[in-house]
Amino acid sequence: RKEVEQDPGPFNVPEGATVAFNCTYSNSASQSFFWYRQDCRKEPKLLMSVYSSGNEDGRFTAQLNRASQYISLLIRDSKLSDSATYLCVVTWGYTDKLIFGTGTRLQVFP
Amino acid sequence: GAVVSQHPSWVICKSGTSVKIECRSLDFQATTMFWYRQFPKQSLMLMATSNEGSKATYEQGVEKDKFLINHASLTLSTLTVTSAHPEDSSFYICSASNFRQGNSPLHFGNGTRLTVT
Repeated sequence: RKEVEQDPGPFNVPEGATVAFNCTYSNSASQSFFWYRQDCRKEPKLLMSVYSSGNEDGRFTAQLNRASQYISLLIRDSKLSDSATYLCVVTWGYTDKLIFGTGTRLQVFP
Repeated sequence: GAVVSQHPSWVICKSGTSVKIECRSLDFQATTMFWYRQFPKQSLMLMATSNEGSKATYEQGVEKDKFLINHASLTLSTLTVTSAHPEDSSFYICSASNFRQGNSPLHFGNGTRLTVT
């Protein structure tokens, strides 16, 4: 099993749609979780941290399910500018080492 | 927000030469810096972790004599690709964090696109 797994997509959705990505991780001791956004040929940028209680930032909602070892990202009212690759990032066990998923590609069309 | 500056943004070099990439944290002290490599359509692969003032920890399969990492201060880490070959052509990205501040997320440099001819 991969350390961090994501559906690579692409997810093609119309503007205004709601889309959700899931990410599973293998190390039950992992402590920190993040979603990053990466535009083509650019560096990843932090989208949001994921907290145990779940958290929301505008149109973006992140959830953590420790029992099932997955995190999710929900994007509401998709915009064209949301088109990017979304990377799930998890710290490895009790270490600070970050493990990246391969990313889920989102394409929002008019 | 925290800023990490990486230089150069792109470099083209001939096979056999060495290339140095710098990564600087501009407004915070980076206790830990990470170096990643990303091939087209693939995710970031961690190459090594460097802590200020100590030797870098390399991931399995990464040659430490080929990819020299120096983290001389809390704001600067360098990656030197020695005797570069075409297969070293890739997108190299550094990131930095101050783990003394708890679960601090990573801040990435803007990456260096290396092309070895």
